[in-house]
Amino acid sequence: GQNIDQPTEMTATEGAIVQINCTYQTSGFNGLFWYQQHAGEAPTFLSYNVLDGLEEKGRFSSFLSRSKGYSYLLLKELQMKDSASYLCAVRDSNYQLIWGAGTKLIIKP
Amino acid sequence: ETGVTQTPRHLVMGMTNKKSLKCEQHLGHNAMYWYKQSAKKPLELMFVYNFKEQTENNSVPSRFSPECPNSSHLFLHLHTLQPEDSALYLCASSPGLAGESYEQYFGPGTRLTVT
Repeated sequence: GQNIDQPTEMTATEGAIVQINCTYQTSGFNGLFWYQQHAGEAPTFLSYNVLDGLEEKGRFSSFLSRSKGYSYLLLKELQMKDSASYLCAVRDSNYQLIWGAGTKLIIKP
Repeated sequence: ETGVTQTPRHLVMGMTNKKSLKCEQHLGHNAMYWYKQSAKKPLELMFVYNFKEQTENNSVPSRFSPECPNSSHLFLHLHTLQPEDSALYLCASSPGLAGESYEQYFGPGTRLTVT
């Protein structure tokens, strides 16, 4: 079967750095997405990786290793507004998105 | 504002009721999706439409009936639901289905409670 694993919850301090990991086993691979979802709101797109390596976008970076079936989302200079759930999703060989259950990130002052 | 709207935002219905959820996208996209999001579970893809044609039906019970009259509008008709159907129902759209980095744009969702 297809599976996406990510930690259920993480806690970090304002101003610090946090890394949210995602491992996957899917039928084929056509890209990996990270989304942010604040409580009661729609998921919003953060990043897309299809080749190995690091993609940087401001305070957020996303890394992919296809051989290891592994990705992480790195958030720097954490702000209170970064408190949200972070969803990892992989597009399989049929171009369907397979979703993880999300990581709830709690930022403390 | 993501360009995808959903109504109603909240819905409480009994198991014998019939109701409909509405989604509209103002982004000129060709693909639209219905997802179910339950607490601490992955997003479950329910239906996919591409150019108004249904391309995916992920073993969804017949008490959920989708309708896509055009590329901008998507409905989910509900009847004789069960309490376990209570969840957040999200609509999304994307420029197309395959190729490129086609991220999906989500609406705010309808919080459904079945009593």
